Amino acid sequence: DAGVIQSPRHEVTEMGQEVTLRCKPISGHNSLFWYRQTMMRGLELLIYFNNNVPIDDSGMPEDRFSAKMPNASFSTLKIQPSEPRDSAVYFCASSFLGDNEQFFGPGTRLTVL
Amino acid sequence: AQSVTQPDIHITVSEGASLELRCNYSYGATPYLFWYVQSPGQGLQLLLKYFSGDTLVQGIKGFEAEFKRSQSSFNLRKPSVHWSDAAEYFCAVGNTDKLIFGTGTRLQVFP
Repeated sequence: DAGVIQSPRHEVTEMGQEVTLRCKPISGHNSLFWYRQTMMRGLELLIYFNNNVPIDDSGMPEDRFSAKMPNASFSTLKIQPSEPRDSAVYFCASSFLGDNEQFFGPGTRLTVL
Repeated sequence: AQSVTQPDIHITVSEGASLELRCNYSYGATPYLFWYVQSPGQGLQLLLKYFSGDTLVQGIKGFEAEFKRSQSSFNLRKPSVHWSDAAEYFCAVGNTDKLIFGTGTRLQVFP
């Protein structure tokens, strides 16, 4: 298996632009998690899905952030408009529902200028 | 409140020395406990996990961890550190749905 796939690996954008991060979970996994990692706040859970349904989005920082999972093999995290404080590494992870052994992707390093 | 504390932000050891990374947790129910490792520029990789049973769990790369309910701890150990172990280590606690991660301990290994 290819593991969790994230794209792009690096994204540099200007403040105010829309940013879309993409994730393909491991085939067969039915839970998907989006995390944000910064030096100041560490690793934060933003949102997670079970069977493509958002279960807990309490970690989404504000309305500028949105996430979707249209099918079992694809999810997006969108930031609109982006701000410099959104600069971070964003990780996607997946697991079997109820297993909780999460497999992480390589991350997307986002820089907002 | 549910939380994970890794009191050591940065640890430096010599290659071949033993290692113990500390993790304390606060959790309302019987926890699921994990240790992950993150190499520079990489995602997190699971080292080991504890769900129930034997409180001493073995993981990959020669790591082990011991669950001590009375101390609310799940410390990670390795008897002899290799230079390739230099990385950031995260302890996590959770249930069947989601995990709460500690702030991490950065391990530096000197030759």
